[in-house]
Amino acid sequence: KAGVTQTPRYLIKTRGQQVTLSCSPISGHRSVSWYQQTPGQGLQFLFEYFSETQRNKGNFPGRFSGRQFSNSRSEMNVSTLELGDSALYLCASSLVSQQDVSGNTIYFGEGSWLTVV
Amino acid sequence: GQQVMQIPQYQHVQEGEDFTTYCNSSTTLSNIQWYKQRPGGHPVFLIQLVKSGEVKKQKRLTFQFGEAKKNSSLHITATQTTDVGTYFCAGRSNTGKLIFGQGTTLQVKP
Repeated sequence: KAGVTQTPRYLIKTRGQQVTLSCSPISGHRSVSWYQQTPGQGLQFLFEYFSETQRNKGNFPGRFSGRQFSNSRSEMNVSTLELGDSALYLCASSLVSQQDVSGNTIYFGEGSWLTVV
Repeated sequence: GQQVMQIPQYQHVQEGEDFTTYCNSSTTLSNIQWYKQRPGGHPVFLIQLVKSGEVKKQKRLTFQFGEAKKNSSLHITATQTTDVGTYFCAGRSNTGKLIFGQGTTLQVKP
């Protein structure tokens, strides 16, 4: 079966612009989480959506937002981009809520590389 | 705020030697997850530990969750070159926030 698909894979944006990233989970998975990975800050949790509801949110400013659609596909949006937003944005899906996967597995996509100039 | 400290940052071992990485949280965790990321790859979920004192094994990998649910470890017995990568722990607080450790990068010399 198809894995977690993230689009676009690479993009370059200018400071002040906004960006929308998309994540299509594995078929049947209802949980989608988003993460930011940078060399300096490492891996950081952004938010998790389960059945269209935000379950958890990390410590990111309100410029970072997300949503999940009825088909479980998810988007995250970053408004008013800053240079520090340059990062690899990862999406992960699972059958159950990632708060407690209890014997299930979390699958990551290849990520979207965002460069802000 | 909640922090998860992971040590060591780097570890170089000879193939066949054992390896351990440790995570310590400033607060009690509801669960802890472990991930492996190969160079240039995305994280791969390894396991989740939930119960106090829990020990789980996956072939040569042994995962432990401390009695106080504030620390955890991953031990690899007899490392192989395929074990190369960065190992992350991620602690889930009682409020649901997920905090990652900084990761331990393992290099294995054949």
